[in-house]
Amino acid sequence: KQEVTQIPAALSVPEGENLVLNCSFTDSAIYNLQWFRQDPGKGLTSLLLIQSSQREQTSGRLNASLDKSSGRSTLYIAASQPGDSATYLCAVIYNAGGTSYGKLTFGQGTILTVHP
Amino acid sequence: DAGVIQSPRHEVTEMGQEVTLRCKPISGHNSLFWYRQTMMRGLELLIYFNNNVPIDDSGMPEDRFSAKMPNASFSTLKIQPSEPRDSAVYFCASSRAGEKYEQYFGPGTRLTVT
Repeated sequence: KQEVTQIPAALSVPEGENLVLNCSFTDSAIYNLQWFRQDPGKGLTSLLLIQSSQREQTSGRLNASLDKSSGRSTLYIAASQPGDSATYLCAVIYNAGGTSYGKLTFGQGTILTVHP
Repeated sequence: DAGVIQSPRHEVTEMGQEVTLRCKPISGHNSLFWYRQTMMRGLELLIYFNNNVPIDDSGMPEDRFSAKMPNASFSTLKIQPSEPRDSAVYFCASSRAGEKYEQYFGPGTRLTVT
């Protein structure tokens, strides 16, 4: 079964810390991997997308890496701020003979709290 | 672009009533997804379309749920009759192969069935 797992389920850190969120997937035959952020009561916002041929993507203080051989991705957040507090979700498009149509398989998310 | 548009944003209805949720995907996107999110079950994929054709509706919980996409710019999710356990936030999302299938979500419809 193609699954996505995120560890830890929740994380609380003081402001200014660098932190890493982990995502693992069960099948290395992926098309791409996407990291989302969800604020309470809001929709999902796409943060970074890594194609299967790429190793990492960066946007501001965020850096996402991809290691297909080990079935892992990490989201690195530098110099965390209270405004980073949200739920972070990892999602994978698994290859399905080229006909995935973009279907995402989601992890359960990591709830991040950055306290002042 | 205005992004994915959903309406209504909030819906409160009584058990047994019909509920229709609406979605307008991003212009040019050809894949559309309906999700449901609850505290207990997290984010669940209900159904998705490609080029207006339903591809997989295995996530639709019961026959009370139905979805249509009559054209590239509009989709509906209907619940008839509604039940209290249908209370959730329903999200619509869209993507396109030419954009690496990066998926964009709407703001969601919060449904409360009393």
